[in-house]
Amino acid sequence: AQSVTQLGSHVSVSEGALVLLRCNYSSSVPPYLFWYVQYPNQGLQLLLKYTSAATLVKGINGFEAEFKKSETSFHLTKPSAHMSDAAEYFCAVSDSPTGNQFYFGTGTSLTVIP
Amino acid sequence: KAGVTQTPRYLIKTRGQQVTLSCSPISGHRSVSWYQQTPGQGLQFLFEYFSETQRNKGNFPGRFSGRQFSNSRSEMNVSTLELGDSALYLCASSQGSRVSSYEQYFGPGTRLTVT
Repeated sequence: AQSVTQLGSHVSVSEGALVLLRCNYSSSVPPYLFWYVQYPNQGLQLLLKYTSAATLVKGINGFEAEFKKSETSFHLTKPSAHMSDAAEYFCAVSDSPTGNQFYFGTGTSLTVIP
Repeated sequence: KAGVTQTPRYLIKTRGQQVTLSCSPISGHRSVSWYQQTPGQGLQFLFEYFSETQRNKGNFPGRFSGRQFSNSRSEMNVSTLELGDSALYLCASSQGSRVSSYEQYFGPGTRLTVT
């Protein structure tokens, strides 16, 4: 079975500081990996995805993530945090070639301190 | 292009009742997935429909069911509601036919409260 572990349910950073949100996955087959962001009272928005192309993936709003097979990790980073980045972030894995069966991590709540 | 819409946005039901939630995907998307989001369990996959057929199913009891219509709109039904069914139910649509197009677009969700 596939699974995702997000280390740190709450992360606080100062405005302008590096954002690092951790995600480790478990998959018996090459995975497809995703990061989503959820703002209060809204659905999830796709930040970026890895689908076996380049290991460094760039997404929206200045976020990027690097797929490291040896570490089974897909950590999300952003060089400089903005106040508008405060939200809940979810890492997800899918290994189904025949459909959308996603497994989500428990989420990391990002707080940006002015 | 209009996004994923879900109706209703909020629902209050009593234990033992049943409820039907609706999801309209993005035009041209043929896959619709449903998720349950709760503070304790996080986001859990319910099921996915593609071209009116259930293609994937999560680990939920049979009280949870769904269907998809020929226009790709989908409904999910929960019968004999329990307090633990209180959650945000999210619908996501995607083109669904190729891995590279597995970007899922989420609706705002339906907040179900069971009393």
